[in-house]
This record gives sequence, structure tokens and C-alpha cells, in this order.
Amino acid sequence: DAKTTQPNSMESNEEEPVHLPCNHSTISGTDYIHWYRQLPSQGPEYVIHGLTSNVNNRMASLAIAEDRKSSTLILHRATLRDAAVYYCILRPPWDGGSQGNLIFGKGTKLSVKP
Amino acid sequence: EAQVTQNPRYLITVTGKKLTVTCSQNMNHEYMSWYRQDPGLGLRQIYYSMNVEVTDKGDVPEGYKVSRKEKRNFPLILESPSPNQTSLYFCASSFSQGGNYGYTFGSGTRLTVV
Repeated sequence: DAKTTQPNSMESNEEEPVHLPCNHSTISGTDYIHWYRQLPSQGPEYVIHGLTSNVNNRMASLAIAEDRKSSTLILHRATLRDAAVYYCILRPPWDGGSQGNLIFGKGTKLSVKP
Repeated sequence: EAQVTQNPRYLITVTGKKLTVTCSQNMNHEYMSWYRQDPGLGLRQIYYSMNVEVTDKGDVPEGYKVSRKEKRNFPLILESPSPNQTSLYFCASSFSQGGNYGYTFGSGTRLTVV
């Protein structure tokens, strides 16, 4: 399974943008890049995903490098409610062997200061 | 509201007493999965199901059973719980095909086996 590398922790000030990086140098051409976050005492929550092009939704933006070996999750204005562990995960297609398994690494713990 | 519902949220039981943790989704998802989360080990897949009557082992299946008789339900069964199964459990669901769908997770079940 392709792996991802993320910083252990990051800090941000409230109402400022946050850029959370992720390296995935062994990504295959068919892997989707998914981001989830887990707030304290809650289940993981889907944030955004993409394949090649940058993506935007109501929660965040995803910027994918041209060679797809890295990506960045962008929170445009961090709030206190965004304090969570953010996971960058590669989801392969259903071609056998992957079990649909999301491989959760340790993620990035984001702290937001008022 | 689209959601994955797990019950119970908290459970304390004794070694050897059979228990079932229920999981239900209302999104017509084909794929369902169980994870456990332990400090320092992250989230690990226990069992998964591609569709009704189709289940398979994940990375840590020992001591667990599952069934998928209906599309919406995917119960996790511990026939003879042991203290090493004390953990936080999450159920997740998704559409099956490709990597172009996010997972929806339940709120979790905190199980303590004494």
C-alpha cells in the first residue's frame, strides 16, 4: 500500500489560512488522494479528495502537485473547530488486494490559537 | 440525514461474555468496514464487506466475526471478548467502485473488557 508522510503537528492562528502538506512519492496513477480529519472523541470525517486536478468544496481546498507526489490541504480561515488530526490517505481503485482499506498514518495534529 | 449509526456508544463487559456492536447506514452504500483505534497504533481494519453476503478479513480479524445479511447493516460480533479487545471501534461505509468516493464513519463505540 502506498504510504504518505505528514508533519506530526502544526499550529495556526484563528481566521488565518492553514496549509497542511502531504508527501506521497510512491503514488500510483490510479490512486485517489483523500483527506480526513478526526476531532477529539469523534469518528474520522471526510474532508476532500482528488485525483489530478485541484479541488474545492465547502470545507477546504486540495492542491495537487503536477507530478502527484505531494498535495496540500488548504483551510482558508481556520476556526477553533478545525483543531483536529488531519489524515492524508491514498485510496486505490477496486482492483483487488487493497481491501478498500484506508491506511491511516499518524496524521498531522492541527492546533488553532484564538 | 446521511449517516452511519453505531450502538452502543459505550460498553463495559466482562471477559467471555458475547456481545454485538451494531452498525447501520442509510446511504445505500455497498461497502462497509470495521476499524479499531488504539493509542500509538492508529486505525486498523478488522473486517470489511463489499456487498450483501460478501465479507472478508482486514488486518486484525482475530477474535471478531461479522455478517452482512442486509445492505444497510453490518454488525460486529465478539464471541468471547478479552481485555486486549478493549478499544475504540468505528464503522465506515462507502460506495464501492473506484477511489472516487469518500468514507462515512460512525461516531464510535468505546468498548472496555474487564
